[in-house]
Amino acid sequence: DAGVIQSPRHEVTEMGQEVTLRCKPISGHNSLFWYRQTMMRGLELLIYFNNNVPIDDSGMPEDRFSAKMPNASFSTLKIQPSEPRDSAVYFCASSSGLAAQRSDEQFFGPGTRLTVL
Amino acid sequence: AQSVTQLGSHVSVSEGALVLLRCNYSSSVPPYLFWYVQYPNQGLQLLLKYTSAATLVKGINGFEAEFKKSETSFHLTKPSAHMSDAAEYFCAVSLRSGGYQKVTFGTGTKLQVIP
Repeated sequence: DAGVIQSPRHEVTEMGQEVTLRCKPISGHNSLFWYRQTMMRGLELLIYFNNNVPIDDSGMPEDRFSAKMPNASFSTLKIQPSEPRDSAVYFCASSSGLAAQRSDEQFFGPGTRLTVL
Repeated sequence: AQSVTQLGSHVSVSEGALVLLRCNYSSSVPPYLFWYVQYPNQGLQLLLKYTSAATLVKGINGFEAEFKKSETSFHLTKPSAHMSDAAEYFCAVSLRSGGYQKVTFGTGTKLQVIP
């Protein structure tokens, strides 16, 4: 398996532009997570999908952020409009177990490094 | 509420020396605990996990961790550091919340290995 795939790996954009980050989870995994990592705030969970349904979006910073999972093999995280403080590394992760299993390992993608100028 | 605290954001050891990365947890229920490693410019990957079976858990690359309920700790150790162990290490605790898994990560500890 190719693992979790994220694109693009690097994105540089100007303030005010729309940014779309993409994620393909591991085939057969039914949970998908979006994280943001910064030096100041560490690793933050943004949103969690289970069976393509958003379960917990309490970590989404504000209305400028939105996430979708139209099918089991694809998810997007969109920022519109982008701001310099959104600069971070965004990770997608997936896991395979039943929703209630606390022992599930999360498999992380390589991340997208976003720079907003 | 559940949380993990990693003591020391940066740890330096000499090559061949013992590695000890500290993690203390807070959980209202018996915890499931994880250690993940992040190499530069990569995502996190699982080193090991504790799921209430054996208290001493062995992971990949020679790492192990011991669950100590009396100390609410889950410290990560390796007897002899290699240069390739230089990375950032994250402790995490997993809870069932609303019928789903909720994982809380620590702030991470960067390990530097000195030749």
